[in-house]
Amino acid sequence: DTGVSQNPRHKITKRGQNVTFRCDPISEHNRLYWYRQTLGQGPEFLTYFQNEAQLEKSRLLSDRFSAERPKGSFSTLEIQRTEQGDSAMYLCASSSGTGHTGELFFGEGSRLTVL
Amino acid sequence: GENVEQHPSTLSVQEGDSAVIKCTYSDSASNYFPWYKQELGKGPQLIIDIRSNVGEKKDQRIAVTLNKTAKHFSLHITETQPEDSAVYFCAASITGNQFYFGTGTSLTVIP
Repeated sequence: DTGVSQNPRHKITKRGQNVTFRCDPISEHNRLYWYRQTLGQGPEFLTYFQNEAQLEKSRLLSDRFSAERPKGSFSTLEIQRTEQGDSAMYLCASSSGTGHTGELFFGEGSRLTVL
Repeated sequence: GENVEQHPSTLSVQEGDSAVIKCTYSDSASNYFPWYKQELGKGPQLIIDIRSNVGEKKDQRIAVTLNKTAKHFSLHITETQPEDSAVYFCAASITGNQFYFGTGTSLTVIP
C-alpha cells in the first residue's frame, strides 16, 4: 500500500498522559499536513510541513501540541498532558506540492479517546 | 481567517435522483475549492476540485460550479447510486497550504 499511513489507528489514554501519533506520507510527497476532526465537523487545520520545515501552525495548536518531521519523511504529532477536549480523530495528509495547490491525500486517521 | 459554511447537513435522495450540496466562503482571496468524500472509518478523498478562474467543471456524474461574485460553490451528483452514500466536505484555500473545510453533508442514497 503506497498511501498515507497513520499509527496507531486508535489510542485510549487517561487525562494527563502524553500520546504520540506517527504519519508516513506518500514517499515522493514533500508536503505534510496534520488536521483534527471531531464528530460531525470538518477537518480543522493544525500544522503544515514542507520537507522538514514546519511552515504554518494553527492557533488551535496549543503549546501542549508539538509536531516534527525530522528528515522530511515521516512526521510525529505529540500531545502532552492530554485533556478530554483533545479527544478527536487526528488526520495526516500529504501532497506533492505541484504548482500552487495540490491534491491532499489523507490517511485513515488516528482516533484519540481521553478518559 | 476563512469561514466555509455548508448546507444541508444531511441529504437523502432516491437512487437515480440528483443531489446538490452548497457551500459559501467568506474570503474573496480564496482561489481553490476541492470537494472530499469521506466513507466511514476512512480519511477524506478528493473527488473533484475547481479553481477560481473556472466557473464549472464536470467529471462523469459529478460537477462543481463556482460563483466568485456571490462567493459560493456547489457540488452536483447526478444519477446517484448507493455507493455515493458518504459524508461530503467542501473546502476553500488561499495559499494552497491551509484548507478550510465545511462541516460536511451526510448523503444517503436510498435504493
